[in-house]
Amino acid sequence: QSVLTQPPSASGTPGQRVTISCSGSSSNIGRHYVYWYQQLPGTAPKLLIYRDNQRPSGVPDRFSGSKSGTSASLAISGLRSEDEADYYCGAWDDSLSGWVFGGGTKLTVL
Amino acid sequence: QVQLVESGGGVVQPGGSLRLSCAASGFTFRSHGMHWVRQAAGKGLEWVAFIRLDGITKYYVDSVKGRFTISRDNSKNTLFLQMNSLRAEDTALYYCAILSGSVDGWGQGTLVTVSS
Repeated sequence: QSVLTQPPSASGTPGQRVTISCSGSSSNIGRHYVYWYQQLPGTAPKLLIYRDNQRPSGVPDRFSGSKSGTSASLAISGLRSEDEADYYCGAWDDSLSGWVFGGGTKLTVL
Repeated sequence: QVQLVESGGGVVQPGGSLRLSCAASGFTFRSHGMHWVRQAAGKGLEWVAFIRLDGITKYYVDSVKGRFTISRDNSKNTLFLQMNSLRAEDTALYYCAILSGSVDGWGQGTLVTVSS
């Protein structure tokens, strides 16, 4: 059971917009920045969104992050086949004095 | 270009020890807190340990407290994870990573297998 709660799966067709939620608490998302990581099959994770809604250079603007209270979301617009991957949210947790991840969401492009 | 290269993984018997290393380049290592994250086969990411940039303050997930020690050598741009009293459930791919801030920093991982 992960501290941050994500849906285990999500799907969409090419061109669609999908969102992935990440639910936490006042000790993590409610108090600290949220980060999103993309893990393509067989590869290491990669930073996708930092500090709630910032994109590193090189990440397409099809990817966007938002946060409200103790929940965060990752939105992917103009879905492409190469977006098929596992997506994880993460944040620091004051109660646990450690980093916490969501359980991951497997995105399937139909 | 940020580069993190892990090494030191391998096969070890339960109760054994391993020391993982992570060589960093392409960024100012001493200016970043560093993490170890592991991923068992087919499973999600699990945070293991964090060390602040000063090398003094350290945090661990409960399951490894008292068994694992994170450390760093800022003069050699290297992060370490000393793993003692290894258990089967420690079997995973271990990544060193920068998890916060704007730097995208993940290594390719080093595989640790604990088996008799």
